[in-house]
Amino acid sequence: ETGVTQSPTHLIKTRGQQVTLRCSSQSGHNTVSWYQQALGQGPQFIFQYYREEENGRGNFPPRFSGLQFPNYSSELNVNALELDDSALYLCASSLPHLIGSTEAFFGQGTRLTVV
Amino acid sequence: TQLLEQSPQFLSIQEGENLTVYCNSSSVFSSLQWYRQEPGEGPVLLVTVVTGGEVKKLKRLTFQFGDARKDSSLHITAAQPGDTGLYLCAGRPRRSGGYQKVTFGTGTKLQVIP
Repeated sequence: ETGVTQSPTHLIKTRGQQVTLRCSSQSGHNTVSWYQQALGQGPQFIFQYYREEENGRGNFPPRFSGLQFPNYSSELNVNALELDDSALYLCASSLPHLIGSTEAFFGQGTRLTVV
Repeated sequence: TQLLEQSPQFLSIQEGENLTVYCNSSSVFSSLQWYRQEPGEGPVLLVTVVTGGEVKKLKRLTFQFGDARKDSSLHITAAQPGDTGLYLCAGRPRRSGGYQKVTFGTGTKLQVIP
């Protein structure tokens, strides 16, 4: 077990709605990254937070936004949900900026279904 | 453009057989990780390779990092049904700047038949 927990584990939303996913990082890890994983594919990087600031972003539209709190937990918010947003959303925590090390420890994911 | 290409995409083998999964890129990586993911779960870290030419063994799994740090392989000896899962390579390209933008490979789905 990695110590990274995500909630909820499953969620069904209607197109156009908004959703908030939550992640508690592993103790001592102040960097949190979010990924979207479509069925049968590898995870796609959404963005990363380090010390409560966005520290890098992948090719996702602005309706994907996030927050990181002082205790390093994090939220992923998605507005105006589209059917293609249906996926497994993964949160990963890591130690920051370690040269030569990018080990990330993942939560179990939140399965979002948009209908 | 996918930075990390894995092959094969799918593999179905009999218990006891050997297999190799490849992870290739045109970019140089400062380090590379291999993960295994089971359905409905998050990826679980198997190993990190850092040095070009490095070989690491984890029981029946052997991981190798290419000399130029652009590719890696995972070899499984005498596969077991418990090895079934999605195998992912991941790394941070050296050009990604000061933050850890980890890129994942396309994944190899392995099925080991008893």
